[in-house]
Amino acid sequence: GESVGLHLPTLSVQEGDNSIINCAYSNSASDYFIWYKQESGKGPQFIIDIRSNMDKRQGQRVTVLLNKTVKHLSLQIAATQPGDSAVYFCAETMNYGGSQGNLIFGKGTKLSVKP
Amino acid sequence: EADIYQTPRYLVIGTGKKITLECSQTMGHDKMYWYQQDPGMELHLIHYSYGVNSTEKGDLSSESTVSRIRTEHFPLTLESARPSHTSQYLCASSENQVAGQAFFGQGTRLTVV
Repeated sequence: GESVGLHLPTLSVQEGDNSIINCAYSNSASDYFIWYKQESGKGPQFIIDIRSNMDKRQGQRVTVLLNKTVKHLSLQIAATQPGDSAVYFCAETMNYGGSQGNLIFGKGTKLSVKP
Repeated sequence: EADIYQTPRYLVIGTGKKITLECSQTMGHDKMYWYQQDPGMELHLIHYSYGVNSTEKGDLSSESTVSRIRTEHFPLTLESARPSHTSQYLCASSENQVAGQAFFGQGTRLTVV
């Protein structure tokens, strides 16, 4: 399954398929980005991060892609499982002389995995 | 699992009451944050702190106040709760360094009736 456009409030995929969640960030000066997963009734949990000097980073079953030209971030989840069902948020921040600014969150995408 | 705790998890309170939402972290993080989140919506930063005796307002205006007397503790207070304050409040902390992720608590779901 694949999301259409830069932001989709909901994404439904079949178990075992790959998922792609997109995010458009706002500040061209942002240099650090994080994807968070938020399950119902819980706080956001860190999934993966990427710095602006990279365009791709891989974790366990997840890959984040960064396109600074169009200010676009995507999260790819391989072999999506029912446990991946959650709301996914991207967040951006920028370095202020050696410290990090506050995280600014995008609108979330709700991922539903069909068995 | 992050070592950041929020109490209470759920709170239903009458209009006009004073409430304090508690947040504690045992990671020794300097930076702490409060975010407000309506169901299914994005997180909005309402307060943050760089360390002891530091408090700053976030991007979203809020009638709440915060204090930071100890590194590990960052409580949020509403002097007079109103139905418009009904929301989820999320506390987070991070190291004050470049590219440091924020760790979140489980949140407090507040309902003002």
